[in-house]
Amino acid sequence: SFELTQPLSVSVALGQTATITCVSDNIGHNLVHWYQQKPGQAPVLVIYRDSDRPSGIPQRFSGSNSGTTATLTITRAQAGDEADYYCQLWDVRAAVVFGGGTKLTVL
Amino acid sequence: EVQLLESGGRLVQPGGSLRISCAASGFALNSYAMTWVRQAPGKGLEWVSTIRGGATMTFYADSVKGRFTISGDNSKNTLDLQMNSLRVEDTAVYYCAKHLNGLLPSPFDSWGQGTLLAVSS
Repeated sequence: SFELTQPLSVSVALGQTATITCVSDNIGHNLVHWYQQKPGQAPVLVIYRDSDRPSGIPQRFSGSNSGTTATLTITRAQAGDEADYYCQLWDVRAAVVFGGGTKLTVL
Repeated sequence: EVQLLESGGRLVQPGGSLRISCAASGFALNSYAMTWVRQAPGKGLEWVSTIRGGATMTFYADSVKGRFTISGDNSKNTLDLQMNSLRVEDTAVYYCAKHLNGLLPSPFDSWGQGTLLAVSS
């Protein structure tokens, strides 16, 4: 089966840079999307196709993907960025695959 | 404005059936791929099923294959999920999600607020 591995939790100081990883063999060959989910709310797309940003998403959010790791980077972290973050891709064999999710805490 | 509104979730006994729906507005359902995603209490997102625009292809997670059926009603612009032989582990909030376009690898750019299915005796 196709698995995407994310850290369970990441902590970042207010105003600093948070990095959330999504690891899988050859993930660099796929297009990775990232979602933010706040408690009690539906997920929101924050990065798509590795590094594209939907309209309305701050430039503080960026993404990259190479080799075995896709990365979501949040610069100048704010209290409002506290949420669960999920990576996701489409695989021709496994169809839709989600990572296990990472809880971001802003200290 | 794109809107997705799920409905139909409720308490069901194990072995029972339920059909949940997602009413779409602001776009034509048959021009986009659509997906159901579920989230068990306190857990992460789990893919359930995807239908390609125009219902030309459907895909299912192994955990629901043979029990769930995804379908679209273009006249009503609704997405349905028929769920049979329900199990306790199917308990979750079910979200419908619209893909960015008709392509399967495209991301989910709009989500509904979800409908809760509880399977319990």
